[in-house]
Amino acid sequence: DVKVTQSSRYLVKRTGEKVFLECVQDMDHENMFWYRQDPGLGLRLIYFSYDVKMKEKGDIPEGYSVSREKKERFSLILESASTNQTSMYLCASSLLAGEQETQYFGPGTRLLVL
Amino acid sequence: AQSVSQHNHHVILSEAASLELGCNYSYGGTVNLFWYVQYPGQHLQLLLKYFSGDPLVKGIKGFEAEFIKSKFSFNLRKPSVQWSDTAEYFCAVTPYTGGFKTIFGAGTRLFVKA
Repeated sequence: DVKVTQSSRYLVKRTGEKVFLECVQDMDHENMFWYRQDPGLGLRLIYFSYDVKMKEKGDIPEGYSVSREKKERFSLILESASTNQTSMYLCASSLLAGEQETQYFGPGTRLLVL
Repeated sequence: AQSVSQHNHHVILSEAASLELGCNYSYGGTVNLFWYVQYPGQHLQLLLKYFSGDPLVKGIKGFEAEFIKSKFSFNLRKPSVQWSDTAEYFCAVTPYTGGFKTIFGAGTRLFVKA
């Protein structure tokens, strides 16, 4: 079974803090994704990566950056957290590039920015 | 911009009732289609997917979905729901645009009364 883990289930940070969310997958998947999930908006893609050190902006990259130094690990960074970044953050991975690939999701990190 | 619309945000059914959740998308080219499900306290996981061939696809737990290309729709159905089907359901579309960004709908929360 594919396993995608996220470093924290719940996180509380203050406005202006730098926040790191980490995601690790154990199935040698090429592609990794970061989404945020908000009620009534579904999942929105922040960034994705199709290879080590490669990254592509998703639909809502503003205020976020990412890092992929190793194939199994994909980090989401909030450079200066703001209250409108309070959300559920989901990491996902998929085996190959291409439109047919199923994504496997982690449990999510619920971030509260005060 | 491509989008995915789910017709109902909240659905309440009694056990044994039939279920149909609507999903429409706005991309005119070739697409791959997915339904994901998130049970309370669990990861988002794949329910079923369509790539090509028979437009009626069957997934886990008795769910099925029908792709109607002329209507840009991919509705999810189950003849008889169970209390354990209580979950949030997301329709997702990956357009063949040369990239592999998946677009998710806003989700439908299904509550099944025992």
